[in-house]
Amino acid sequence: QKEVEQNSGPLSVPEGAIASLNCTYSDRVSQSFFWYRQYSGKSPELIMSIYSNGDKEDGRFTAQLNKASQYVSLLIRDSQPSDSATYLCAAASGGSYIPTFGRGTSLIVHP
Amino acid sequence: KAGVTQTPRYLIKTRGQQVTLSCSPISGHRSVSWYQQTPGQGLQFLFEYFSETQRNKGNFPGRFSGRQFSNSRSEMNVSTLELGDSALYLCASSSANRGQETQYFGPGTRLLVL
Repeated sequence: QKEVEQNSGPLSVPEGAIASLNCTYSDRVSQSFFWYRQYSGKSPELIMSIYSNGDKEDGRFTAQLNKASQYVSLLIRDSQPSDSATYLCAAASGGSYIPTFGRGTSLIVHP
Repeated sequence: KAGVTQTPRYLIKTRGQQVTLSCSPISGHRSVSWYQQTPGQGLQFLFEYFSETQRNKGNFPGRFSGRQFSNSRSEMNVSTLELGDSALYLCASSSANRGQETQYFGPGTRLLVL
């Protein structure tokens, strides 16, 4: 059974701080990893995808992948109240093409 | 490029009825996946269609079925609705380039079963 684990939170950070969201996955052959942001009542929106070990930066977002530890993280710098949402981590292997999603971490950025 | 569209956006049905949901993928995307999202279970994979064929299937009963048309548009059908089928149903399309599949979600159809 492929699993993606996330702390459900909520993770509360002050405005301007760095928010760190973490995710572990069980399927060692996973090759593609994604972070989605989901506002309450809305559908998931892709923020980042990462396929190789190391860091990938896009604006205020940095995704980090460590395949040896089966660990993915998302850092949000200069957090804003508009970043308050649930963040879903997903992992996919080349075989099925279908990502397995975690249950999500709720992030609250307070002014 | 237009995003994934889903119709209807909201639906109210009663137990025992059936429902059909529609999804139009991003132009050029041939893979369409369906998910059920509930507060208790999170995002659960229903099935995936690629070039009119069901390529992957999740662990849902046979009441849940789908199909894909030659233009990649997809429909999902739920027969004999149960109260527990109340959920947000999400469609996601992907270009399915091997090794870098990225799914883009539609706005979803919120189904309430009374």
